Amino acid sequence: GAGVSQTPSNKVTEKGKYVELRCDPISGHTALYWYRQSLGQGPEFLIYFQGTGAADDSGLPNDRFFAVRPEGSVSTLKIQRTERGDSAVYLCASSSGLVLGEEQFFGPGTRLTVL
Amino acid sequence: AQRVTQPEKLLSVFKGAPVELKCNYSYSGSPELFWYVQYSRQRLQLLLRHISRESIKGFTADLNKGETSFHLKKPFAQEEDSAMYYCALTVTGNQFYFGTGTSLTVIP
Repeated sequence: GAGVSQTPSNKVTEKGKYVELRCDPISGHTALYWYRQSLGQGPEFLIYFQGTGAADDSGLPNDRFFAVRPEGSVSTLKIQRTERGDSAVYLCASSSGLVLGEEQFFGPGTRLTVL
Repeated sequence: AQRVTQPEKLLSVFKGAPVELKCNYSYSGSPELFWYVQYSRQRLQLLLRHISRESIKGFTADLNKGETSFHLKKPFAQEEDSAMYYCALTVTGNQFYFGTGTSLTVIP
């Protein structure tokens, strides 16, 4: 079946602009995670959804970052007033949400470049 | 705060030689530990997790709570093992903490 998909694959924007990044998880997966991966670093946790609700958003770096998952499937990560330091690959992952420590399935990522 | 340390950014071994990728963590409780792998031009994917106690593609990892380590080992490296390897930890299943990764190159 289809894996996790993310759109766009690449996004170039100017400093101060607003961007939205989309994640389509595996059908039926209730758990959804967003990560940010800067060059030379591992994925950094941003937010975790269980169903429609953000169960843990403690990784969001500041209030410019926001994510939604209104119907418990597709999720959108929104970044306001982008800064050059926001440039990174944004990864989305999903899992069935049934068991602690189960496998996460990752998407290909969206490469965000803020000029 | 929880932290995962992978001391080697780059590691090269010859084909057929043993390989060990180091991972240390800082957490006093009982975390769940994982190894994820990213092959060239592919997505990040799970390699193995300590709760399963399984061997995947010849790799094993033992959780050493005394040394707070979860090193990844393989007795005989293959060229197809060349990839980026990330050690990861979770306590609650909500937040996952990843190390900075080790790039493994297996020399033919």
